[in-house]
Amino acid sequence: GAVVSQHPSWVICKSGTSVKIECRSLDFQATTMFWYRQFPKQSLMLMATSNEGSKATYEQGVEKDKFLINHASLTLSTLTVTSAHPEDSSFYICSARDLPFLTSGSMWAQYFGPGTRLTVL
Amino acid sequence: KNEVEQSPQNLTAQEGEFITINCSYSVGISALHWLQQHPGGGIVSLFMLSSGKKKHGRLIATINIQEKHSSLHITASHPRDSAVYICAVRRKRNNDMRFGAGTRLTVKP
Repeated sequence: GAVVSQHPSWVICKSGTSVKIECRSLDFQATTMFWYRQFPKQSLMLMATSNEGSKATYEQGVEKDKFLINHASLTLSTLTVTSAHPEDSSFYICSARDLPFLTSGSMWAQYFGPGTRLTVL
Repeated sequence: KNEVEQSPQNLTAQEGEFITINCSYSVGISALHWLQQHPGGGIVSLFMLSSGKKKHGRLIATINIQEKHSSLHITASHPRDSAVYICAVRRKRNNDMRFGAGTRLTVKP
């Protein structure tokens, strides 16, 4: 089945540094990738949607200058947390959507990465 | 009010029990997902439904579009089923996803 990988799986960094997280679709082309954030005991919250070759669309309240998203190819999207602070510590999950398959209607399949745990000291 | 509501929030069962987790939503959807999140955080997509019923091993998922309700059933539960189960819907209007708060399942041996 389709697989989405993330790297690194966990990262600890000092306050003020920048951290880059990669999301790759391993056996399919993902025109759209999503970045989610999950705080402890809370559900996933969408941060931004990125389409290959165009600027990401950010959800309300998410600072685009702080969370830089690049979707340079159909198999890779990156999220860079710039000038990270302790309140940015969270679990970041990416998800990739493949092309719709045509049956009686069209359905997008969406696959989730394993997540990256960011701890900012 | 959350667009996706799950119940129960927490569930403890004995090994072998039949388990049901419910999901209700209030928006028009094009698909509903059931996700499993393990203690380490990794997420596995269990089912994607737009109508009817799907079965995979001991897992069964049903959806009633008219009632805007879906259920996830686990037969003959096992301790390895312990995880957080998340219901997520893809909204027709924006084609984006909204997530339930999750149901934390603990299956005791």
